[in-house]
Amino acid sequence: NAGVTQTPKFQVLKTGQSMTLQCAQDMNHNSMYWYRQDPGMGLRLIYYSASEGTTDKGEVPNGYNVSRLNKREFSLRLESAAPSQTSVYFCASRAMGQNGLMNTEAFFGQGTRLTVV
Amino acid sequence: LAKTTQPISMDSYEGQEVNITCSHNNIATNDYITWYQQFPSQGPRFIIQGYKTKVTNEVASLFIPADRKSSTLSLPRVSLSDTAVYYCLVGDTFIDYKLSFGAGTTVTVRA
Repeated sequence: NAGVTQTPKFQVLKTGQSMTLQCAQDMNHNSMYWYRQDPGMGLRLIYYSASEGTTDKGEVPNGYNVSRLNKREFSLRLESAAPSQTSVYFCASRAMGQNGLMNTEAFFGQGTRLTVV
Repeated sequence: LAKTTQPISMDSYEGQEVNITCSHNNIATNDYITWYQQFPSQGPRFIIQGYKTKVTNEVASLFIPADRKSSTLSLPRVSLSDTAVYYCLVGDTFIDYKLSFGAGTTVTVRA
């Protein structure tokens, strides 16, 4: 059981380049999340998707776009990378309980370390 | 999610008990208290959740006083491998899709 898989694990971009970070989960979870974590800091929510077909902004959405491609996959796109977007990006997923309530435990991927030069 | 305040860092030695207190004065009636642990270079992982009194599992204990305005995560007899960042989240995590983390508490365990 792979859990939450992020690709790539490492990436170096030049300022102005674009790229898409991929995330896939095999746990049949409804909700998925993208976070960034800067050195020595906590996680900040970029975007989340409560369920397939929906996406919402988090705390720091500027400069990013997301796509919930299907129930398994949630991608994060940087259209024009900036040095301020150098960070470690984490994807997470969370299940919906059988009673329609959110399962509290979120599962995280191993992260994508992105450097923008 | 309710605003939380926790210490930025704590130091400890192997074999000691570590207690991390999280303040959440504006906790709502339906809010739960959840703690995550993040090891270096890894994503966070869920460790414990509670609503009131005491919850214990194989990793930690969570103490919540009657007024629920604070909570304490207790790590018994820590080892070097317990060095991590610990995050306190407060909210109605059963219906709240949004999951927001603060800065967390960096716990460093020394030999």
